[in-house]
Amino acid sequence: AQSVTQPDIHITVSEGASLELRCNYSYGATPYLFWYVQSPGQGLQLLLKYFSGDTLVQGIKGFEAEFKRSQSSFNLRKPSVHWSDAAEYFCAVGARGGADGLTFGKGTHLIIQP
Amino acid sequence: SAVISQKPSRDICQRGTSLTIQCQVDSQVTMMFWYRQQPGQSLTLIATANQGSEATYESGFVIDKFPISRPNLTFSTLTVSNMSPEDSSIYLCSVGYSGGAYEQFFGPGTRLTVL
Repeated sequence: AQSVTQPDIHITVSEGASLELRCNYSYGATPYLFWYVQSPGQGLQLLLKYFSGDTLVQGIKGFEAEFKRSQSSFNLRKPSVHWSDAAEYFCAVGARGGADGLTFGKGTHLIIQP
Repeated sequence: SAVISQKPSRDICQRGTSLTIQCQVDSQVTMMFWYRQQPGQSLTLIATANQGSEATYESGFVIDKFPISRPNLTFSTLTVSNMSPEDSSIYLCSVGYSGGAYEQFFGPGTRLTVL
């Protein structure tokens, strides 16, 4: 069975500082991996995805993520955070991407300090 | 990307009653899914809504409690039956495609409170 672990429940970062959110997955084959963001009272917005090719993927809002098969990781990064980045971030894995239901991690709550 | 709407956006219901949530997409999609997000928790897949046939439920979810319909390629409903306070959650529908595109897009969610 597939699973996703996000080790950090909360992360606090100063505005303008760099950010890395961790995600580890368990899946038997090449996974389809996603990062979603959920702002308070909002639905889920897709930040980026990986399913093949270049292991460094670029997303929206200046985010990027790197797939590392040897570490079963798909960490999300941003070089300089903005106050508007404060939100809940979810890592997810799927067997066939949009064709299957996704398994989500528990999420990381990002707090931005002024 | 698909534009997804859900009705109602929120509701407060009494225990023992049922609520039907609608999910409408602005274009035909291959796959539709229903998720539950309990307060302060992550998302859990309830079922895959299959067009013209019975939904496929995940472990821990049953048709009697969460009946699902999908009459066509743009619409689905989820009913939460015989509700209890433990059913208070956000219910989200999502859509995906079986080939070519690998994203899954989510609706805005329905916030349900059961008293």
